[in-house]
Amino acid sequence: NSKVIQTPRYLVKGQGQKAKMRCIPEKGHPVVFWYQQNKNNEFKFLINFQNQEVLQQIDMTEKRFSAECPSNSPCSLEIQSSEAGDSALYLCASSLSPDTLYFGAGTRLSVL
Amino acid sequence: GEQVEQLPSILRVQEGSSASINCSYEDSASNYFPWYKQEPGENPKLIIDIRSNMERKQIQELIVLLDKKAKRFSLHITDTQPGDSAMYFCAATSTGGNNKLTFGQGTVLSVIP
Repeated sequence: NSKVIQTPRYLVKGQGQKAKMRCIPEKGHPVVFWYQQNKNNEFKFLINFQNQEVLQQIDMTEKRFSAECPSNSPCSLEIQSSEAGDSALYLCASSLSPDTLYFGAGTRLSVL
Repeated sequence: GEQVEQLPSILRVQEGSSASINCSYEDSASNYFPWYKQEPGENPKLIIDIRSNMERKQIQELIVLLDKKAKRFSLHITDTQPGDSAMYFCAATSTGGNNKLTFGQGTVLSVIP
């Protein structure tokens, strides 16, 4: 079983609502990634952190998402105003280094 | 940024035969190539990886090959079993920086008993 814990497993929101998901990385892993996997199973990188600092993020994340990885608290990813196109599986992954990623079970978001 | 192409998108093989999935990448700086297996409703699980200082790596029935000159790498599953049926993703990244993994489009493998 994955040691990366994501909550909730399922999230249903209406358009325009906020959608927040959380991730507890594997203990001792300083690097955290968020990916979006769409209905075609395509992976889209959203943002990554090393400790509490953002390393990289795409434009969409910067404009529409709020993300953080505070010390001693779960990491979080929040869509500020959900759109139908945001419906997807959101995967959190952690790593000791920036390459080998271990994924959590994901949060499946449905925007109605 | 890096682009990874993965083929085939669908692969059906008879139990006991071999299955091969091929990937190509564009960025010559990429030096780490993992493979993930994802079963329906599950998270992607790392099954094998290879770094650019190797050409071949084997873990039990899984073999990965890397051709840096051609910028291609491949996964070969020997003696396939029904439990190998899943979606498989290749990925590539360059270490030494904070670069993200770029994934291929995925291959749905079905092993027919």
